[in-house]
Amino acid sequence: ILNVEQSPQSLHVQEGDSTNFTCSFPSSNFYALHWYRWETAKSPEALFVMTLNGDEKKKGRISATLNTKEGYSYLYIKGSQPEDSATYLCALPSGNTPLVFGKGTRLSVIA
Amino acid sequence: DTGVSQDPRHKITKRGQNVTFRCDPISEHNRLYWYRQTLGQGPEFLTYFQNEAQLEKSRLLSDRFSAERPKGSFSTLEIQRTEQGDSAMYLCASSLGGQRNVFGPGTRLTVL
Repeated sequence: ILNVEQSPQSLHVQEGDSTNFTCSFPSSNFYALHWYRWETAKSPEALFVMTLNGDEKKKGRISATLNTKEGYSYLYIKGSQPEDSATYLCALPSGNTPLVFGKGTRLSVIA
Repeated sequence: DTGVSQDPRHKITKRGQNVTFRCDPISEHNRLYWYRQTLGQGPEFLTYFQNEAQLEKSRLLSDRFSAERPKGSFSTLEIQRTEQGDSAMYLCASSLGGQRNVFGPGTRLTVL
């Protein structure tokens, strides 16, 4: 089973701070990497799907990079706001399993 | 389209009872997935359908679990003889082919 690791497990930042967290995965047999944001009491929301080494994607203040050769992706949030508080999940397809998720990074932004 | 919906949103049951959850995917999506998320873990894959065919089942899906998608539209997930370890958030997602999964809000099950 694919091992998807996310760090840190949780993070507390002040409003306005920029932050980043990591998703690590085995570099062999890479196909795609998905980032999701999951706010409490809501549906997980797809942020990015990344497929190419060196990919950089951006959505507002959130961006992500991908390094398939070394097996990691970074998610960056610029100028964190309280509404960014959520659990950020990364997931990769593996064999017959559509998505294998990491445990997530729980972000709390303090006003 | 209002997205993926799940019903109920919360379910409390006693150990040994059967429960059934429903998922209504986005109408044009041919794939439907079930995941389970327990405290401190990411979502774990349970099973998925392409149209009405169940294509893959995780080893997590014990004999007490059964899922159906009879007409290739909505799906049900039934758990028989529930155990306390079944307490979790049950998430449904749908996609067109293998593209981006769109998730529902989940059904939170508590087994007493």
